[in-house]
Amino acid sequence: EVKLVESGGGLVQPGRSLKLSCAASGFSFNDYWMGWVRQAPGKGLEWIGEINQDSSTINYTPSLKDKFTISRDNAQNTLYLQMSKLGSEDTAIYYCARAPLDYWGQGVMVTVSS
Amino acid sequence: DIQMTQSPASLSASLGETVTIECRASEDIYNGLAWYQQKPGKSPQLLIYNANSLHTGVPSRFSGSGSGTQYSLKINSLQSEDVASYFCQQYYNYPYTFGAGTKLELK
Repeated sequence: EVKLVESGGGLVQPGRSLKLSCAASGFSFNDYWMGWVRQAPGKGLEWIGEINQDSSTINYTPSLKDKFTISRDNAQNTLYLQMSKLGSEDTAIYYCARAPLDYWGQGVMVTVSS
Repeated sequence: DIQMTQSPASLSASLGETVTIECRASEDIYNGLAWYQQKPGKSPQLLIYNANSLHTGVPSRFSGSGSGTQYSLKINSLQSEDVASYFCQQYYNYPYTFGAGTKLELK
């Protein structure tokens, strides 16, 4: 069974950084692109970006490219999202997903507030 | 960026009814389109990929069609468990983009 479990969310002050993790199991992690999607409270879905199997290609939505960094550790079957310079507009549930978004984690809430 | 315009924003339908949700892309996306279902408090679930291919385990009452810039999701014989929000997404070109969503309720 494909399982994706996000962690690392919580309350963070504006301007600070936060790193999310996504632990994958039930499939061969290093055979798949992996991605991140977020959803602000009561809003729609926003694609953040995705990373290929050996981390040689990473694509981002342009508006987040300078703030967010996607990485992975194939030995640990873990995907990461490093977020910096956080603002209130980054308050959202963050989902990791196996590309092409066929399986999603349960999501982790990030709240940016002072 | 490719803009995805989804309609309607909300929809009320009766059990057993057939429902159609539309998605229009701002340019040709060559069937690089997926549909997702999201129930309240849950993560999105893939229903359809490549515009018309049913994802594993998805009931056959769901179907996708379309080409070019126009795509649709049809739900035949609506069931109570289909109450959810539905999103389209293009993955033909980066950055991938989603439609704003359709909230489906029971009448």
